[in-house]
Amino acid sequence: EAGVAQSPRYKIIEKRQSVAFWCNPISGHATLYWYQQILGQGPKLLIQFQNNGVVDDSQLPKDRFSAERLKGVDSTLKIQPAKLEDSAVYLCASSLGNSYYGYTFGSGTRLTVV
Amino acid sequence: DAKTTQPNSMESNEEEPVHLPCNHSTISGTDYIHWYRQLPSQGPEYVIHGLTSNVNNRMASLAIAEDRKSSTLILHRATLRDAAVYYCILSWNSGNTPLVFGKGTRLSVIA
Repeated sequence: EAGVAQSPRYKIIEKRQSVAFWCNPISGHATLYWYQQILGQGPKLLIQFQNNGVVDDSQLPKDRFSAERLKGVDSTLKIQPAKLEDSAVYLCASSLGNSYYGYTFGSGTRLTVV
Repeated sequence: DAKTTQPNSMESNEEEPVHLPCNHSTISGTDYIHWYRQLPSQGPEYVIHGLTSNVNNRMASLAIAEDRKSSTLILHRATLRDAAVYYCILSWNSGNTPLVFGKGTRLSVIA
């Protein structure tokens, strides 16, 4: 089966600019996650969707980050305006249901804010 | 979420078995033990998970202590491709709680 697709693979922007990341999960996977991974750390959950509804966005910095999952399939994550500390890899993952079914991750988008 | 403790790094020789430990002394009865690994420049990938009994799959084996306060991921024959960060995670599989990653163990494999 096709994996989780993410684009772009790399992005360099200046601080205060905006950026968007796209994720296409595995077909049929109801649950979609966005994680942020800062260099040297494990991935940190930003937001979790179940179909097109938000399950958990408690760690999403809502003053600058937003995410949507239209029609319960593709998802976009946006940062506006970006800060230097947003430099990280943004990982998208999908699952049939909860963690018992296992998560499949994409390769991520590496964001550098200068 | 119940916490896990893993060594920061480990080293292994190629073609030898590797035992990656994980301590989880505050595990609850409903927590599953998950292992993921992250190869360089890749997202994490699922390795194995279990509840009480030892588990085997094509990638690895998971040995769970009788009191469930620790577990060990076993790679039977390490290859250079197994060099990665290995994460041990606890999660209540009946709920919708997302996986919470720690820093994991960085495994180096020496040819």
